[in-house]
Amino acid sequence: SAVISQKPSRDICQRGTSLTIQCQVDSQVTMMFWYRQQPGQSLTLIATANQGSEATYESGFVIDKFPISRPNLTFSTLTVSNMSPEDSSIYLCSVLSGGWGYTFGSGTRLTVV
Amino acid sequence: QQQVKQSPQSLIVQKGGISIINCAYENTAFDYFPWYQQFPGKGPALLIAIRPDVSEKKEGRFTISFNKSAKQFSLHIMDSQPGDSATYFCAAQGGSEKLVFGKGMKLTVNP
Repeated sequence: SAVISQKPSRDICQRGTSLTIQCQVDSQVTMMFWYRQQPGQSLTLIATANQGSEATYESGFVIDKFPISRPNLTFSTLTVSNMSPEDSSIYLCSVLSGGWGYTFGSGTRLTVV
Repeated sequence: QQQVKQSPQSLIVQKGGISIINCAYENTAFDYFPWYQQFPGKGPALLIAIRPDVSEKKEGRFTISFNKSAKQFSLHIMDSQPGDSATYFCAAQGGSEKLVFGKGMKLTVNP
């Protein structure tokens, strides 16, 4: 299965600032997915990122708050903009790897103070 | 509306016991049902998955049972070990639906 490197692994940010999270995959993939996992909660899909097109956002998530870039088939970034304490979560990158499975990165643990 | 309902929310078992996690779904378009294991500070890792054309799949100590008519599936962990202590998520995907997750179950296996 694909191997995903996600950076940073954690960060503490001031409210009102932005953080860009990077996701690097060791193989070319068509779609990359960004999830949010709030403390002690399940995973919620933020958006799907295809190379060469605008990301598709799920209900409740907007591009101005979570802009995504997908410059090539192995890399994507998610920016969390104008952060507030409610944005404190784990943000995860995922790809569809092989015939079945979705592989996840280790996540970025974001704390907004 | 929660598309995949998971229970229980937490479970404590003794070493060597059987851990059972249940999930139910409503959307008949789902045709892929994976289970993920997540350790603290890590991303979820695919544990085992099943498609609805089979009723059971076993990999080592982990077994998925699938009941298509009841729209339910479960994970059984046999001979549970302290190293199995983690959070387990069921999920479902199919048709035009994205992968959706249950709320997760925190398993604690006491030595």
